[in-house]
Amino acid sequence: DAKTTQPPSMDCAEGRAANLPCNHSTISGNEYVYWYRQIHSQGPQYIIHGLKNNETNEMASLIITEDRKSSTLILPHATLRDTAVYYCIDSNNDMRFGAGTRLTVKP
Amino acid sequence: DGGITQSPKYLFRKEGQNVTLSCEQNLNHDAMYWYRQDPGQGLRLIYYSQIVNDFQKGDIAEGYSVSREKKESFPLTVTSAQKNPTAFYLCASNAGTPTSRSGANVLTFGAGSRLTVL
Repeated sequence: DAKTTQPPSMDCAEGRAANLPCNHSTISGNEYVYWYRQIHSQGPQYIIHGLKNNETNEMASLIITEDRKSSTLILPHATLRDTAVYYCIDSNNDMRFGAGTRLTVKP
Repeated sequence: DGGITQSPKYLFRKEGQNVTLSCEQNLNHDAMYWYRQDPGQGLRLIYYSQIVNDFQKGDIAEGYSVSREKKESFPLTVTSAQKNPTAFYLCASNAGTPTSRSGANVLTFGAGSRLTVL
């Protein structure tokens, strides 16, 4: 079973930042946190990963707490095309996914 | 371009029949994974393989079988023992053992195969 927990759903207004939380309290010291998203009926797409420092790429930013027990994925200016299910996983878990967070971006 | 190819995209099966889903990757990845997804649900791990000729059961392996005779191929057979096989099946791969900052555990997914049992 997945060892990460996420809220089942969230809404965000178009153009605003979307902040998606994830708890990974059993993560070990050398394990990364990975974020993926899945648009309906497609394979999940990699977004970003991190170990303990905050990370940013062209898609998103990742904020990891100092104790590494939780993280937040930030989509700085959400668009309608960001509507998807977002998954976080920690690599200590044989690539097991939870149910993810269904993000709906509204006009 | 490198990637993962799953086939067929859509498959219909009669009850009692075995069916094999193909997954091929040209990414030179050591590890490969099979997931099942039911409508409105997350991904559940069926089987995974970290190296050729070796594989491990995931959380829902009953009624499924796999083989890993070649590095690039990881076919999944849905047997007649699987009571509710209708689902969306996803194959993925990564480099396997994580290293310091190489991102070796980043998964690449195929487009999926949708199986319907009639």
